[in-house]
Amino acid sequence: DTAVSQTPKYLVTQMGNDKSIKCEQNLGHDTMYWYKQDSKKFLKIMFSYNNKELIINETVPNRFSPKSPDKAHLNLHINSLELGDSAVYFCASRRTGANSGANVLTFGAGSRLTVL
Amino acid sequence: TQLLEQSPQFLSIQEGENLTVYCNSSSVFSSLQWYRQEPGEGPVLLVTVVTGGEVKKLKRLTFQFGDARKDSSLHITAAQPGDTGLYLCAGSRGGSEKLVFGKGTKLTVNP
Repeated sequence: DTAVSQTPKYLVTQMGNDKSIKCEQNLGHDTMYWYKQDSKKFLKIMFSYNNKELIINETVPNRFSPKSPDKAHLNLHINSLELGDSAVYFCASRRTGANSGANVLTFGAGSRLTVL
Repeated sequence: TQLLEQSPQFLSIQEGENLTVYCNSSSVFSSLQWYRQEPGEGPVLLVTVVTGGEVKKLKRLTFQFGDARKDSSLHITAAQPGDTGLYLCAGSRGGSEKLVFGKGTKLTVNP
């Protein structure tokens, strides 16, 4: 069973379109993240949700809108796609709480978005 | 400003050689982690270090956290082609939920 699953794995679309990437985790974690990995492999945090509540919102254009219907799901919707949005988007999750230890993340396999 | 600087950026070696990868910062971290990422996959945790001066071993991999908790190193002994991948260090500060990543070291071990 995949712990953190993302769909789709590949997404090719035209500039100006709107697209969504979905993420689900079956680990019982209560915090989920979206990271963006650019062509130089730099992983940068975008958003974090804890129990459906937004707790981290980095400087991301408001064309990006995360949605967490429940603590096992965190979806990413992108409006008016631009060429610079091409990247691999990773979903991740972790358990928080007193005995949860350091910020250890479990990542999905990534969703490669190509904007033409 | 990049909080975590990794070096070298690229490393290509022959099977059997030893290597060390570095992760440096001017900031203090409450914990530091190393991940390995293979093509088409997400990063996978290798180790977490939390105490200054801590050394952890994972088979042929040795991880060290600096005494001041500002830097870390990963040493691989007798590298094998299966060690090929992108090695990422990541740190969190204080009670922050945010885990920041270095830019990674791309390691290639040639048979």
